[in-house]
Amino acid sequence: GAGVSQSPSNKVTEKGKDVELRCDPISGHTALYWYRQRLGQGLEFLIYFQGNSAPDKSGLPSDRFSAERTGESVSTLTIQRTQQEDSAVYLCASSPFYGHSYEQYFGPGTRLTVT
Amino acid sequence: ILNVEQSPQSLHVQEGDSTNFTCSFPSSNFYALHWYRWETAKSPEALFVMTLNGDEKKKGRISATLNTKEGYSYLYIKGSQPEDSATYLCAFKGAQKLVFGQGTRLTINP
Repeated sequence: GAGVSQSPSNKVTEKGKDVELRCDPISGHTALYWYRQRLGQGLEFLIYFQGNSAPDKSGLPSDRFSAERTGESVSTLTIQRTQQEDSAVYLCASSPFYGHSYEQYFGPGTRLTVT
Repeated sequence: ILNVEQSPQSLHVQEGDSTNFTCSFPSSNFYALHWYRWETAKSPEALFVMTLNGDEKKKGRISATLNTKEGYSYLYIKGSQPEDSATYLCAFKGAQKLVFGQGTRLTINP
């Protein structure tokens, strides 16, 4: 079946512009995660959606970052007024159930470059 | 700040040899420990999710053990093959968010 997909695969934007990244999780997966990996660093948790419950936003680095998910479908991560330090690979993952005891299925990522 | 450490950072192994590496994590508030394989230009792929002290999991030539009391997990690869070349990530879930280690980059030399 179809895996997690993300778009765009690559995005180059100028500093100060807003960007929107999209994630299509595996159908039926109730949990959805956003991560990023900056150059030379590990995977960094950003936000976790768990069905209709309030999302865990504890990893969002600043109020320029926001994410939405409607039900158990598509999620968008929005970065406003991008800065050069936002350059990273942004990964989305979904999981069939809530909680962190289940495997996560990752998308191919969006490589964001802020010039 | 939660510390999840993986060692070594990188490893070169001859094809056919067996190898192992370590993930260290806090020994308190343990909930789950994940292992992922991340090949270049691909998505991270789940290997194991371990939740119980003493857990041992196996998938083909790859296996993992878990010691939550002392805060470590080992990943073993038996008879390494070129396709095992990847970065292996562990992730710890405690009371807070899932925290990933920096990974062990494994290269198999033919």
